Formats: sequence, C-alpha cells, structure tokens
Amino acid sequence: DAKTTQPPSMDCAEGRAANLPCNHSTISGNEYVYWYRQIHSQGPQYIIHGLKNNETNEMASLIITEDRKSSTLILPHATLRDTAVYYCIARSGNTGKLIFGQGTTLQVKP
Amino acid sequence: ETGVTQSPTHLIKTRGQQVTLRCSSQSGHNTVSWYQQALGQGPQFIFQYYREEENGRGNFPPRFSGLQFPNYSSELNVNALELDDSALYLCASSPQGIQQYNEQFFGPGTRLTVL
Repeated sequence: DAKTTQPPSMDCAEGRAANLPCNHSTISGNEYVYWYRQIHSQGPQYIIHGLKNNETNEMASLIITEDRKSSTLILPHATLRDTAVYYCIARSGNTGKLIFGQGTTLQVKP
Repeated sequence: ETGVTQSPTHLIKTRGQQVTLRCSSQSGHNTVSWYQQALGQGPQFIFQYYREEENGRGNFPPRFSGLQFPNYSSELNVNALELDDSALYLCASSPQGIQQYNEQFFGPGTRLTVL
C-alpha cells in the first residue's frame, strides 16, 4: 500500500471551506484513496473514497489530481463539529486492511 | 439499521492476564477487522475475518487471536497482557468481503488499560 503524507495540523474558520491536502506520490493504479475522520475517543468515521474521478457526497468532496499523486478533501462549510483528526489512506486491492498514518488534526474555530 | 457495537466500553486488566473483546458487525456485513490504536497514534491493523476465517493479519504476535461466529460477530483475544497492550481496540465491519471499494464502518472501541 502506498504511503500517504499529510500536514500534522490545520485551522479553519467556522463556515469557511476546509481544504485538507494529501500526498500519495507512490500510489499504484488499483489503489483507491480513502478519507476517514476520528473525533476524539470515537471510532473512525468513513467520509469518502475515489479512484480517479472527483467524488462528492453529503459530507465532502474529494479532488484527485490527474496524475493521482495527490488529493484534497474539501469540507464546504466547516462547523465546530468537524474538529477531528482526518486520515488519508491509499488502499490497495485484495486487502481489507486500512493503513492509517498520523493524519491531520483539523481545528475549526468560531 | 444497527451499527457496529463493541463491548465492554472500558476494561482494566493486570499484566499477564487474558482479555476477550467483543464486536457485533453491522447488519448484512460479513467481514470484520480489528485495529489497535495507541494514544496519539493512528489505528494499526491487527487482523480481519471473512466468513469465519482469518483473512489477513498485521504485525502482531500470536498472543493476539480472534474468532468470527456464524452470525458474523467477532471476538479479539489477547493472552499474557503487557503494559504496551493498553490502547483503544476498534472493530470495523464491511459488506461482501475485502473488495477495496467497500468502506469499513467502525465501532466506538473498547478502551483497555493494562496495569
């Protein structure tokens, strides 16, 4: 599984868009990019995943660069409840495991 | 639809003891994965069960073992507890096996403290 690199922490103002970057320069063609978040002392929560195309759901948007070496998770209107650790994971085929890194701690401020 | 549940919520054990943690998967999910999360770290994959068989294992010693039952619920057993086993233990279920496009749904975890 490809390694992912994320900034350790970010701040965002409440109501503004939060853009969380992730580098996965060694990702292979069959690896999906997954995003999870973990609010303090709770289990990780699935947000979104994608392979090549940009994806959007009710929680967030995922923008994957054309070369697939990086991606950005966008929370369009961050709220205080979005304060959490966000994990970017490159998940390969034929494996059920998720390899979590250190993630990005997003602090949404009023 | 009931989500993933885990029991107990918290547990305190002493070194050398054995512990069993339990997980009920989300309805319709036949795959369960277990993760260990030490304080301040991301979750680390322990192993996965698919249709009652172990299907992938992380870098954990044999004293970490598991079971999956016909109703797809699962147990994690840890023998000869060590202080470093203190962590949040997370269970995640997913539908239809290990396909990479199946998201995993996590339970709230069991906080194990080893004294």
